[in-house]
Amino acid sequence: GAGVSQSPSNKVTEKGKDVELRCDPISGHTALYWYRQSLGQGLEFLIYFQGNSAPDKSGLPSDRFSAERTGGSVSTLTIQRTQQEDSAVYLCASSTRTSGAYEQYFGPGTRLTVT
Amino acid sequence: GQQLNQSPQSMFIQEGEDVSMNCTSSSIFNTWLWYKQEPGEGPVLLIALYKAGELTSNGRLTAQFGITRKDSFLNISASIPSDVGIYFCAGLEWETSYDKVIFGPGTSLSVIP
Repeated sequence: GAGVSQSPSNKVTEKGKDVELRCDPISGHTALYWYRQSLGQGLEFLIYFQGNSAPDKSGLPSDRFSAERTGGSVSTLTIQRTQQEDSAVYLCASSTRTSGAYEQYFGPGTRLTVT
Repeated sequence: GQQLNQSPQSMFIQEGEDVSMNCTSSSIFNTWLWYKQEPGEGPVLLIALYKAGELTSNGRLTAQFGITRKDSFLNISASIPSDVGIYFCAGLEWETSYDKVIFGPGTSLSVIP
């Protein structure tokens, strides 16, 4: 079946503008993660959704960042009043456990450039 | 907070050589994960380890879950050019009904044909 998809693949925005990044997880996966990856760096955890539980927002770097997950499926990451330091690749992943085995799949990412 | 360290940061090897990379943690994890990321793509999960001491293979890849539960290693045998990429380790904790995954900084692998 289809993997994790993200849109847009690239986004260039002016400093101070708001942006919305979308993630479509794999159907049936109850867990969804957002990560941020700066050039040449590792993955920085941002936020995690699991079913109907309250999300773990502990990785969000500031109150300009927020995320929603509607109907337990599609998620939107919103960055308000973007800053140049927000420039990075934003990766979404969904996961499930099958007979106890953990499976996590990443989308291709959205490359955000703030000018 | 929890931190993972990976060594080496980067490797340049000749095609056909074996590769070994490590991951250590300041705290215990109950699951270790190894990923590979190629340019312009998201990471791909290669191997998951669930028990201390567990040794798991996936083709030319072998990974082990350290007995102390604070470390893991990944070996790649007979490297080929398509092994090029960044290899991330990650620790997974089951916390209050969710899987929290913490990533290491990665090991960049270059294979010289």
